[in-house]
Amino acid sequence: GNSVTQMEGPVTLSEEAFLTINCTYTATGYPSLFWYVQYPGEGLQLLLKATKADDKGSNKGFEATYRKETTSFHLEKGSVQVSDSAVYFCALGSSGGYQKVTFGTGTKLQVIP
Amino acid sequence: GAGVSQSPRYKVAKRGQDVALRCDPISGHVSLFWYQQALGQGPEFLTYFQNEAQLDKSGLPSDRFFAERPEGSVSTLKIQRTQQEDSAVYLCASSLVEGVHNEQFFGPGTRLTVL
Repeated sequence: GNSVTQMEGPVTLSEEAFLTINCTYTATGYPSLFWYVQYPGEGLQLLLKATKADDKGSNKGFEATYRKETTSFHLEKGSVQVSDSAVYFCALGSSGGYQKVTFGTGTKLQVIP
Repeated sequence: GAGVSQSPRYKVAKRGQDVALRCDPISGHVSLFWYQQALGQGPEFLTYFQNEAQLDKSGLPSDRFFAERPEGSVSTLKIQRTQQEDSAVYLCASSLVEGVHNEQFFGPGTRLTVL
């Protein structure tokens, strides 16, 4: 079945540091890949997505590239801010019919001033 | 515009009680999903509705869990004879249409604690 593995947290960075959160997946077919973010006290929000190999999703300075050859979708940001502190979930959507999303366990990011 | 809403936001139940969790999806959204998120884990799929039809209930952990969406809008997740292992956040999500590229919009969740 489908599965997602992402790096464990928490990750603590200083403001303006470079961020990488690793994510690899196992899936049949050609799934869509997502990063969701959960800010403290708020619901899950879609951060970015990529729907086919070599696509790059980007939003709010975050980027991730769909790498089929390495089955990876690592999240990166060049300069994090305190407001980026949140839990980040890598996820994949099933490749047929309705989108049954499989989530990773989440990585908590804390950015300190 | 209004997003997905869920009620109650918090529910405490004694072991053995029945609970009902409500989801109001975004108006006009065809697809509706329920997920269960245990503490420190990612959400796990429970069930899927397309309008009023429950097309997939493969993630429901036991026959104590039941979901319905009788008019294709509001959905209720019911848990009978709650157990401590049912303690989790229950998330509802909706999307406009069926399809692999359609974004799911999540509600804030209902945190269920079973004592």
